[in-house]
Amino acid sequence: GAGVSQSPSNKVTEKGKDVELRCDPISGHTALYWYRQRLGQGLEFLIYFQGNSAPDKSGLPSDRFSAERTGESVSTLTIQRTQQEDSAVYLCASKRTSGAETQYFGPGTRLLVL
Amino acid sequence: GENVEQHPSTLSVQEGDSAVIKCTYSDSASNYFPWYKQELGKRPQLIIDIRSNVGEKKDQRIAVTLNKTAKHFSLHITETQPEDSAVYFCAANSGGSNYKLTFGKGTLLTVNP
Repeated sequence: GAGVSQSPSNKVTEKGKDVELRCDPISGHTALYWYRQRLGQGLEFLIYFQGNSAPDKSGLPSDRFSAERTGESVSTLTIQRTQQEDSAVYLCASKRTSGAETQYFGPGTRLLVL
Repeated sequence: GENVEQHPSTLSVQEGDSAVIKCTYSDSASNYFPWYKQELGKRPQLIIDIRSNVGEKKDQRIAVTLNKTAKHFSLHITETQPEDSAVYFCAANSGGSNYKLTFGKGTLLTVNP
């Protein structure tokens, strides 16, 4: 079946612009994550959605970052007034339920802020 | 919160040799420890995981060991092959959470033919 997909695959933007990144999880997966991966670094947790529960936003680095998810479908991560330090790969992952363990990752969006 | 340290950051081995990557964690409530492999330009994929009720788990050439007392766990790859070359990430669930993982910074493994 189809895996997690993300768009765009690459995004180049100017400092100060807003960007919106999209994630399509595996159909039927109730849990969805966003991570940030800076060059040569590990995966940094940003936000977690589980069904219709309130999301865990504890990893969002500033109020310029926000994310939405409607039900168990598509999620968007928005970065307002982008800064150069926002340059990174943004990875989305989904898993079947809150109790399931395996996270399935998307290919990521590579964001470059000039 | 949880802190996961991973060593070494880079590892180069000859094909056929073994490779060992080590991680330590800080939160004694952590009870789930997955390992992800990320090939260059590709997405991370789970390769093996272990829960705290066992000390070792094997899957063909890959094994993971866990020492809860010392709060460390290791990935062992035997008979390495060039296709094992990738970045490997360890992780631990934060505070025993059933969803939140803290990842190590990764180990770049290069297997030389």
